[in-house]
Amino acid sequence: AQKITQTQPGMFVQEKEAVTLDCTYDTSDQSYGLFWYKQPSSGEMIFLIYQGSYDEQNATEGRYSLNFQKARKSANLVISASQLGDSAMYFCAMRTNQGGKLIFGQGTELSVKP
Amino acid sequence: GAVVSQHPSRVICKSGTSVKIECRSLDFQATTMFWYRQFPKQSLMLMATSNEGSKATYEQGVEKDKFLINHASLTLSTLTVTSAHPEDSSFYICSAGQLIFNEKLFFGSGTQLSVL
Repeated sequence: AQKITQTQPGMFVQEKEAVTLDCTYDTSDQSYGLFWYKQPSSGEMIFLIYQGSYDEQNATEGRYSLNFQKARKSANLVISASQLGDSAMYFCAMRTNQGGKLIFGQGTELSVKP
Repeated sequence: GAVVSQHPSRVICKSGTSVKIECRSLDFQATTMFWYRQFPKQSLMLMATSNEGSKATYEQGVEKDKFLINHASLTLSTLTVTSAHPEDSSFYICSAGQLIFNEKLFFGSGTQLSVL
């Protein structure tokens, strides 16, 4: 069975500071991909960053980086220099070779304070 | 990046009517489309996987006669909510892509369904 767990329902961060959103996963597959999506109040799903199970280096995309710890099965998202526009729901997700489905964690609602 | 168009963005209907939601991949051919349902402040729950030219695969607990999915071409998949009831009110969102674990999926903008 595959599972994604986000244990932080809500997080607050001061503008310009960094924040880490936690994500752990469980799968018996060797080949899998981990994704983070942002969902603002408009409902659209915005792709942020991807980490493959075979990637040895942590992924980075601008202010977003993924802290991938394979042995711990964690894939935390780090947002540096938070901006007010970062306030949104953030979802961690995983795809495996079993059907290629993208399954999501429960989400974390991030609020950036001015 | 690739664009997935979803229509309508919002629909209000009376109980007992059927509603069709379209999902189109505009600049790429999507062999697979996924349909999700999302309640307020909750996660996206996968309803079904549709592959072009074949029957959709539904997740456990999803009524296939209630939620009809058709994937007639490589660029269009439709979800029809039949005989809608107030409990079907939800945000429905589609995504499209290939069946490869290391490929990101592109999402439509979602459809907010309200059944009166």
